Amino acid sequence: DAGVTQSPTHLIKTRGQHVTLRCSPISGHKSVSWYQQVLGQGPQFIFQYYEKEERGRGNFPDRFSARQFPNYSSELNVNALLLGDSALYLCASSFLPVSRGGPDTQYFGPGTRLTVL
Amino acid sequence: TQLLEQSPQFLSIQEGENLTVYCNSSSVFSSLQWYRQEPGEGPVLLVTVVTGGEVKKLKRLTFQFGDARKDSSLHITAAQPGDTGLYLCAGGNNDMRFGAGTRLTVKP
Repeated sequence: DAGVTQSPTHLIKTRGQHVTLRCSPISGHKSVSWYQQVLGQGPQFIFQYYEKEERGRGNFPDRFSARQFPNYSSELNVNALLLGDSALYLCASSFLPVSRGGPDTQYFGPGTRLTVL
Repeated sequence: TQLLEQSPQFLSIQEGENLTVYCNSSSVFSSLQWYRQEPGEGPVLLVTVVTGGEVKKLKRLTFQFGDARKDSSLHITAAQPGDTGLYLCAGGNNDMRFGAGTRLTVKP
């Protein structure tokens, strides 16, 4: 089985532009989470989706939005890009969502490296 | 703000040495996970610890979850160059919070 796939692998944008990042989860996984990893830091939680509904949101501005499709793939959209949005954007999939009962195992994709000039 | 503090931030050792890295928090977590990340790749799960005081071994890696479920440690015995990477801990409650990681370099 294929792992989590993300596209594109690299992307260069300029300030003020919009970007869409895509993620395909492992077959059978219904939950997708998005993370932003700035150089030298650990991943920061952005969104979690389960069964096409938003189940969690991190401390990110409204310029960040996401959605999950019926086939459980997901898109992350970022509007009005800032230089500080330059980062590795990671997608992780799991069968169940992360919950207080303990997280289901998350599998990460290779990420999309976004550079904002 | 990182809820999980990892130390040391950087560690460079010779092949064959032992090492321990730490993950500390003021919060109680229902579970804690350790990941290893290599450049240009996503994190790969090494282990999940759930029970306070739990010890798990994965070949030369030993993971321990603190009794109060606020801290964890990773001990590597006889480190090898292939162990080089960024070691991340993450705490799971309603979402996954990551530490900043320990960047380990093992020199041959």
